Amino acid sequence: DAGVIQSPRHEVTEMGQEVTLRCKPISGHDYLFWYRQTMMRGLELLIYFNNNVPIDDSGMPEDRFSAKMPNASFSTLKIQPSEPRDSAVYFCASSFEGSPLHFGNGTRLTVT
Amino acid sequence: AQKITQTQPGMFVQEKEAVTLDCTYDTSDPSYGLFWYKQPSSGEMIFLIYQGSYDQQNATEGRYSLNFQKARKSANLVISASQLGDSAMYFCAMREAGANTDKLIFGTGTRLQVFP
Repeated sequence: DAGVIQSPRHEVTEMGQEVTLRCKPISGHDYLFWYRQTMMRGLELLIYFNNNVPIDDSGMPEDRFSAKMPNASFSTLKIQPSEPRDSAVYFCASSFEGSPLHFGNGTRLTVT
Repeated sequence: AQKITQTQPGMFVQEKEAVTLDCTYDTSDPSYGLFWYKQPSSGEMIFLIYQGSYDQQNATEGRYSLNFQKARKSANLVISASQLGDSAMYFCAMREAGANTDKLIFGTGTRLQVFP
């Protein structure tokens, strides 16, 4: 079991650029979550999927953020255009039904 | 309304001593789960322990135990025999079990520092 795999680990980009974060959940898990962690706001749930279907995207900050899950083994979180206030660590996590979430190692995004 | 409250921004404990990290929660759902995660300085989120709302006994996992007081809506984490490697951020989280409501909401965390 390779765990939840996120890429890239670090991303530095300039304001206005498009950023795409990637996640491969654990095989067999039917839930996938995207979280953002900042010092000011802690861990915020952005969106989560169940069986590849977005269930709750109420945490997505604004229209610049979008997330997709085209199949059970892949999800993306896209920010377009990026802004400095988007700088954070973005975590992907997956779970099977009500089991504990397994987190990836996160993507540290810096927008200059 | 804050669903998960961790009132201790930071805690210190001496090695080999026990420490309790506080967590209170708020929900009207009779079915829910409570989780604790550890985040060391390297940044990964590590699952520690789980307590279901209908579980009759407090959960234990090695040196970790969860002091679950349902009437008080508290789910404190107890770490026994602290080790230097326990120094980290600790997050309490709750998952409500309503239909299509399976998200995990986190508290603000407690930074634990273990000193020799």
